[in-house]
Amino acid sequence: DAGVIQSPRHEVTEMGQEVTLRCKPISGHNSLFWYRQTMMRGLELLIYFNNNVPIDDSGMPEDRFSAKMPNASFSTLKIQPSEPRDSAVYFCASSLFGNEQFFGPGTRLTVL
Amino acid sequence: GESVGLHLPTLSVQEGDNSIINCAYSNSASDYFIWYKQESGKGPQFIIDIRSNMDKRQGQRVTVLLNKTVKHLSLQIAATQPGDSAVYFCAEKAAGNKLTFGGGTRVLVKP
Repeated sequence: DAGVIQSPRHEVTEMGQEVTLRCKPISGHNSLFWYRQTMMRGLELLIYFNNNVPIDDSGMPEDRFSAKMPNASFSTLKIQPSEPRDSAVYFCASSLFGNEQFFGPGTRLTVL
Repeated sequence: GESVGLHLPTLSVQEGDNSIINCAYSNSASDYFIWYKQESGKGPQFIIDIRSNMDKRQGQRVTVLLNKTVKHLSLQIAATQPGDSAVYFCAEKAAGNKLTFGGGTRVLVKP
């Protein structure tokens, strides 16, 4: 199994630009999670889906952030417009029936 | 919301010695706990988990202890090796699938 796949691995963009992060969960997993990791705030859950349906988006910072899961094998996290304070490592994770979550390698986002 | 240990202390340990990493959690309703290891530039990697109906669980070179009375979780690593150098996170889960992560502990293994 390839594990959770994220793309791109690194993204550098300018303030105001739209950023789209992509995730392919482990095949057969029914839950998908988006996290953000910074030195100041640690690992924060942004949103998670069960069976492609958003369950808890209370961690999404503001309306500039949106996430979709159009099917069981793909999810996106979009930031529009991006700001320097969005710079962080964004992780996607997946799990089966609420057990241990398997993390992807992350996307390091830098907003200039 | 509830949080789990927001500090990032550092534990320095001599190669070959045992390591003990501690974690305090705050949600008494949490019924599932996980330890993750994160190496530089990588995502967190599952190490071991434990459910609230247990107080000890062993894996390969690792043991997790759960004390629900004082809401304390620990990870013991036997015969620590250089490859064990990483940041270790505990996480707790109450209702639903949402995990709440602690701030992490950095383990440095000295040769």
